[in-house]
Amino acid sequence: SAVISQKPSRDICQRGTSLTIQCQVDSQVTMMFWYRQQPGQSLTLIATANQGSEATYESGFVIDKFPISRPNLTFSTLTVSNMSPEDSSIYLCSVTSRGQGAVYGYTFGSGTRLTVV
Amino acid sequence: DQQVKQNSPSLSVQEGRISILNCDYTNSMFDYFLWYKKYPAEGPTFLISISSIKDKNEDGRFTVFLNKSAKHLSLHIVPSQPGDSAVYFCAALTSPSTDSWGKLQFGAGTQVVVTP
Repeated sequence: SAVISQKPSRDICQRGTSLTIQCQVDSQVTMMFWYRQQPGQSLTLIATANQGSEATYESGFVIDKFPISRPNLTFSTLTVSNMSPEDSSIYLCSVTSRGQGAVYGYTFGSGTRLTVV
Repeated sequence: DQQVKQNSPSLSVQEGRISILNCDYTNSMFDYFLWYKKYPAEGPTFLISISSIKDKNEDGRFTVFLNKSAKHLSLHIVPSQPGDSAVYFCAALTSPSTDSWGKLQFGAGTQVVVTP
């Protein structure tokens, strides 16, 4: 399965600032996703990162708050903009290749633990 | 609306015994179900999956059972080992379509503690 490098692994940020999280995959993948795991809760899908076009956001998430880029088939970034303490979460990148996800599962990065103070 | 539910937030089991984790779902359109394991400070790791056309899938110490009529699945770990101590997430997936390819819906997770 693909190997994901996600950076940074953790950060403490001031409210009102922005943080960009990077997701680098060691092979070309069809699908890239960004998830959020708030403290004590499950993983929630933020958006699907589409190569060469705008990301597809889930209900409750908007591009102005979580801009996403995916310039090629191995790299994506998620920016958490104008942060507030409510944005303190673990953010995870996930990938799969078409046809494989249901059988072999989706590969996740190790996550970025964000604390907003 | 939570479509995948894990109602037991924690489970404690003795080493060598069976661990049974339960998961319920509400969306009859789910075609695949997956279990993930997560250690602290790491991303979830895929364990095992099952198609909705099957009722059982086994991989080593891990077996997943699916009861479609009850919209219920379970993960059995036999025998349980101390290294199995982690959070286990149940997840569900619909088949690819134009609008909804590949979106995993996760349960809240069950913390498993295996004691010596």
